[in-house]
Amino acid sequence: SQQGEEDPQALSIQEGENATMNCSYKTSINNLQWYRQNSGRGLVHLILIRSNEREKHSGRLRVTLDTSKKSSSLLITASRAADTASYFCATSQTGANNLFFGTGTRLTVIP
Amino acid sequence: DAGVIQSPRHEVTEMGQEVTLRCKPISGHDYLFWYRQTMMRGLELLIYFNNNVPIDDSGMPEDRFSAKMPNASFSTLKIQPSEPRDSAVYFCASSYQSGLDYGYTFGSGTRLTVV
Repeated sequence: SQQGEEDPQALSIQEGENATMNCSYKTSINNLQWYRQNSGRGLVHLILIRSNEREKHSGRLRVTLDTSKKSSSLLITASRAADTASYFCATSQTGANNLFFGTGTRLTVIP
Repeated sequence: DAGVIQSPRHEVTEMGQEVTLRCKPISGHDYLFWYRQTMMRGLELLIYFNNNVPIDDSGMPEDRFSAKMPNASFSTLKIQPSEPRDSAVYFCASSYQSGLDYGYTFGSGTRLTVV
């Protein structure tokens, strides 16, 4: 069953703008991860944030985690057309050895 | 490393036929996962292995589905007999230490169409 729910389901922005996607989950987690999927391709791991971390950066990516609200956000700054893809959050639940993926946000960056 | 390698990339088969999907994980990864992706249900975990041993197959939809991992470098997912509702993209992923500290590496997927 799905663990995470992303919001919005779809997002369309102009190149250069920032894109923010949110993820909510239901149970205690070890970590939360974000993945990107280009059309017709497999998922690519972007960033992992542990349950005891609140914010993490990687290049133009910024991830926040609020375990009290069971939510996370992914910010992509200065978006590019190449960022057009679907973005998924995935949670590693406490006591489990596998990831549960959310429903994804479809991001379109207009050149 | 060439990454996780799946074959075939596309498979079209008739209802009732046997289908075998193949996966070669990244060398050194001790976990292997099979996921299915559809528009309606998103990404569903079917089964995963640790050190070649099946750990959780609760996501396998029916007895028609079976998976094996005879060694650390090869896994198969078999559907027999196939049905149109099995049409989906099937992904294999591998990871080191279950993804608790590291992410998963996914293959490019096998797009299965059952007619």
